[in-house]
Amino acid sequence: EVQLVQSGAEVKKPGESLKISCKGSGYSFTSYWIGWVRQMPGKGLEWMGIIYPGDSDTTYSPSFQGQVTISADKSISTAYLQWSSLKASDTATYYCARTNYFGSGSSDYWGQGTLVTVSS
Amino acid sequence: QSVLTQPPSVSAAPGQKVTISCSGSSSNIGNNYVSWYQQLPGTAPKVLIYENNKRPSGIPDRFSGSKSGTSATLGITGLQTGDEADYYCGTWDSSLSAGQVFGGGTKLTVL
Repeated sequence: EVQLVQSGAEVKKPGESLKISCKGSGYSFTSYWIGWVRQMPGKGLEWMGIIYPGDSDTTYSPSFQGQVTISADKSISTAYLQWSSLKASDTATYYCARTNYFGSGSSDYWGQGTLVTVSS
Repeated sequence: QSVLTQPPSVSAAPGQKVTISCSGSSSNIGNNYVSWYQQLPGTAPKVLIYENNKRPSGIPDRFSGSKSGTSATLGITGLQTGDEADYYCGTWDSSLSAGQVFGGGTKLTVL
């Protein structure tokens, strides 16, 4: 069974750093792209970027370039999303999703989401 | 403002049919496959339709998808109260802001 399991909810202060994770299982982690999607409270889905764990090839949305870093450790089948200095506007739920980048284009499996709250 | 345009809300009675539209351009829907996602309250999105009109295993045939030119449509027949959710269309954009793009979402209410 394909699963993406994300790390738990976080409460942080502005200016702090954070790294959240997404662990894949039930499939060849290095053969599929992993995308990250932001959902701000009460809002829609926003694509942040994507990584190919096989070689760490990464593409960012222009809206998030320079704001976050996407990485992966294929030895433990885990993708990461990190911030060096959080802002209150980063408060959102973040989803990872297995994405068929060069095929159907669909994101066929999603993590359960990680709620990040940034507040002083 | 989302790259893809969806109606904010639709509603229909149980057992009825509803359609949700998704409008884009030649740089996204016009030249790429469209997917549809269902997001039940408090849960992660789930793919309902991929490659414009294909259903993953386990998705009932009450859900259908179609695409014409730069627009796509999700159809749901035999509406059930459990279908109340937010629905998003998604595709890829090959413009300067290349990447995955989503519609703003449509809230389905089953009256």
